[in-house]
Parts: sequence; C-alpha cells; structure tokens
Amino acid sequence: DGGITQSPKYLFRKEGQNVTLSCEQNLNHDAMYWYRQDPGQGLRLIYYSQIVNDFQKGDIAEGYSVSREKKESFPLTVTSAQKNPTAFYLCASTNTGTGVGSNQPQHFGDGTRLSIL
Amino acid sequence: AQKVTQAQTEISVVEKEDVTLDCVYETRDTTYYLFWYKQPPSGELVFLIRRNSFDEQNEISGRYSWNFQKSTSSFNFTITASQVVDSAVYFCALRPAGGGNKLTFGTGTQLKVEL
Repeated sequence: DGGITQSPKYLFRKEGQNVTLSCEQNLNHDAMYWYRQDPGQGLRLIYYSQIVNDFQKGDIAEGYSVSREKKESFPLTVTSAQKNPTAFYLCASTNTGTGVGSNQPQHFGDGTRLSIL
Repeated sequence: AQKVTQAQTEISVVEKEDVTLDCVYETRDTTYYLFWYKQPPSGELVFLIRRNSFDEQNEISGRYSWNFQKSTSSFNFTITASQVVDSAVYFCALRPAGGGNKLTFGTGTQLKVEL
C-alpha cells in the first residue's frame, strides 16, 4: 500500500544528543514537509523540500536540520541546539506544481513522539 | 501573511447532536485552497476536504458538510448526527497557490462526542 512511514513511533533524547527521525514515502510525491505539534496548538512547519537535494526553512527551523538525498526520504535531525524538543513530529508529502497540481492535499504519516530523558 | 483562526478550543456534544466547527482565515492571495483534517487519538492527520477559493459551492459528504463563504472568509464544517467515532481534533488549513504549497494550520478544535 502507498503511504508515508515515520519511525520510530516513540523516541527519547538525552541532554546534548542529536536524534534523527525517519520519514519515507512511496507515493512518488515531489514535496515533503516536517511539522511540529505541541499540546493544544496547531502544526508548525519546520522544514520543507520541493525537490531532491533542495530544502527550505519553515517557521521554526532553529535547532533542526534535514536532508533530501532521495525522493522517497526526508529525515529530520533534532540537534542539541533545540532546547525544547519534546513534541509530536509529523511528516507529510504532496505533489507540487501550479494550477491543479498546487491544490493537492498533503498526506501525513503517523508521527513520532519525542521526549527528553 | 496567512492566518487561520479556530476560536472553539473544545466542543462537547451528545451523540446524534449536530455540531458546527468554525474556521476563519486571512490571506492576501486571490487564489488559495482550504482544507479540513481530522486527527484521531492515534495521531495521524486524515484529509477530509479541499476547497478552491474560486469555488464557493458548498459540499456534502454523508454526515459531513462544509459551508464556504468568501465574503466572511469562513469555511465552517458541520457534522450531522454526531457519533462517538467523530471524537477527534479537527484542523482547518490554508494554502496559497504556489509558494511551496505550504499549509498554515489553525490551532484545532477538540470535539468530544459522548453517549
């Protein structure tokens, strides 16, 4: 079945440690996104990528890094510089393009819950 | 700048009641797209509907209906005869045409449907 797979489902980070969240999609989508969700808040965009080997900062990129070496994969690294990493992280993908292509919905993975030890 | 406001933080209803979730948006773009997503307790976001800014026709899908009014910048969502399985957080989102297809989300409305 086509979809977006995020792993792990739960992740714990020690002080000063970098951790990487995995996001893989087999939908052949060009664009991929990372969002952060805090309790009682909406989703905030961390990074997004519209094409392989290219990505842009979202609204809250500080303390995070990404790579897009393959179309199917868009891993997110939460670095030690992110002082408040505890949150629910969601990855999404969609087709891009103008006109009809730009109104396609984003498809989401099941998320990763990150906590500090 | 884009903004989406969902003023209702939490709504509780009894099963079979009708319930309307409000969504008000702000944008300077003339062409944009509006979305509703459902987030059940398991966490994933489930796409419900997309509406183009140039199409103000309301839509009904089973017990779900959406009322898009460009004049008031609103895109409200009504569930008729609510069921316990409708309990979830519902998000309204806005995306301008182009610009990386970035979504701006509202803060969500927690809907609790009780027996």
